[in-house]
Amino acid sequence: QVQLVESGGGVVQPGRSLRLSCAASAFTLSTYGIHWARQAPGKGLEWVAGISYDGSHKYYADSVKGRFTISRDNSMNTLYLQMNSLRAEDTAVYYCAREWRHYDSSGYGAEYFQHWGQGTLVTVSS
Amino acid sequence: DIQMTQSPSSVSASVGDRVTITCRASQGISSRLAWYQQKPGKAPKLLIYAASSLQSGVPSRFSGSGSGTDFTLTISSLQPEDFASYYCQQANSFPLTFGGGTKVEIK
Repeated sequence: QVQLVESGGGVVQPGRSLRLSCAASAFTLSTYGIHWARQAPGKGLEWVAGISYDGSHKYYADSVKGRFTISRDNSMNTLYLQMNSLRAEDTAVYYCAREWRHYDSSGYGAEYFQHWGQGTLVTVSS
Repeated sequence: DIQMTQSPSSVSASVGDRVTITCRASQGISSRLAWYQQKPGKAPKLLIYAASSLQSGVPSRFSGSGSGTDFTLTISSLQPEDFASYYCQQANSFPLTFGGGTKVEIK
């Protein structure tokens, strides 16, 4: 059964850094794009970043561009999110999600989130 | 960036009711839209993809429609396990974006 397990969350002071990990099992990570999304307490979902199956393409939300870096180690079946210059507004549960690419009649591969981890809480506070 | 606007933000309904949630994109996204269900403390679950295709294992009382900028999620007969929050997500272009969510509550 496909499983994604996030780790690395915790309490961190504003301006500091944190690295999240997402360990994949029961599937070959190197054949899938993976994304991070987050949810602030009591709020809705926000897509944060995504990386292609081979790491050649990376995408970021404007709110984290220049501060967060997504990467992957396919040999370790693990995905990472390096978060620098953290702010109070980055406080959230962070989820990793495996994409499912659906090709429509025009040949475009739209990316949906088929499998999700359980999430890890990041709290940015002094 | 494409903005996704969901309405209503919350709805109170009874078991057996028909519930409709709408999602509007700030620009055309063809049919590249998904709907997710999220229960408290849990990760979201994919219900509908490509605007109207039912994900495997999802009950047929859930249906989606629309294309371009206007989309709808319909629950034909609300069941106790359907009380949750629902989110739309556009998959047309990066950055990917979610709607603000709709909470379906018990009347």
